[in-house]
Amino acid sequence: SSELTQDPAVSVALGQTVRITCQGDSLGSSYASWYQQKPGQAPLLVMFANNKRPSGIPDRLSGSSSRNTASLTITGAQAEDEADYYCNSRDSANNHVIFGGGTKLTVL
Amino acid sequence: LQLQESGPGLVKPSETLSLTCTVSGGSISSSSYYWGWIRQPPGKGLEWIGSIYYTESTYYNPSLKSRVTISVDTSNNQFSLKLSSVTAADTAVYYCARHDNSGWPVQDVFDNWGRGTMVTVSS
Repeated sequence: SSELTQDPAVSVALGQTVRITCQGDSLGSSYASWYQQKPGQAPLLVMFANNKRPSGIPDRLSGSSSRNTASLTITGAQAEDEADYYCNSRDSANNHVIFGGGTKLTVL
Repeated sequence: LQLQESGPGLVKPSETLSLTCTVSGGSISSSSYYWGWIRQPPGKGLEWIGSIYYTESTYYNPSLKSRVTISVDTSNNQFSLKLSSVTAADTAVYYCARHDNSGWPVQDVFDNWGRGTMVTVSS
């Protein structure tokens, strides 16, 4: 079955730009979605269909995808962006949903 | 749209975990959406358990399929999870969420989540 690989931890200076990546074979045939999770809270959808933002998500968050890698970019990171970020997509071989292991983003 | 999980917070090993998700502010019979369960062990990542359509069509995570049953009650706008033969490894926060898997290319979008409920497996 497919897996989605994310860097366990990434840091960014306040106001700078950071890219969080998600790699996996499934991304060649399915869209990625991204979720932000803060401590003690449920995940929040922040990006879907690779690069579409749900209503209410700030436009400093953007998404992209190339071949087998999806990316979530935060331009001008703010303190409130500090969170865990998870990607997900479909494992076409088994027709089931898969999540990446998550990336802990620290804003310095 | 709001989703709320409910059920016992403590389950004994080898028993069956049972949770219900109540949907308000929208109909579970909407033709556009599945309804899913996702769990998160303490300090770990998200794991999809399975999803159901209002017609009772289901699909499950292959790693849990032998122990999972998801059902739907459209009259009460609820869907439920049963996980049998639980062990300590099933200790987790369990979330219910609305699951959009429509469109092409394939996508799986969980766009509304419940707050989650912690379930501990212990004797």
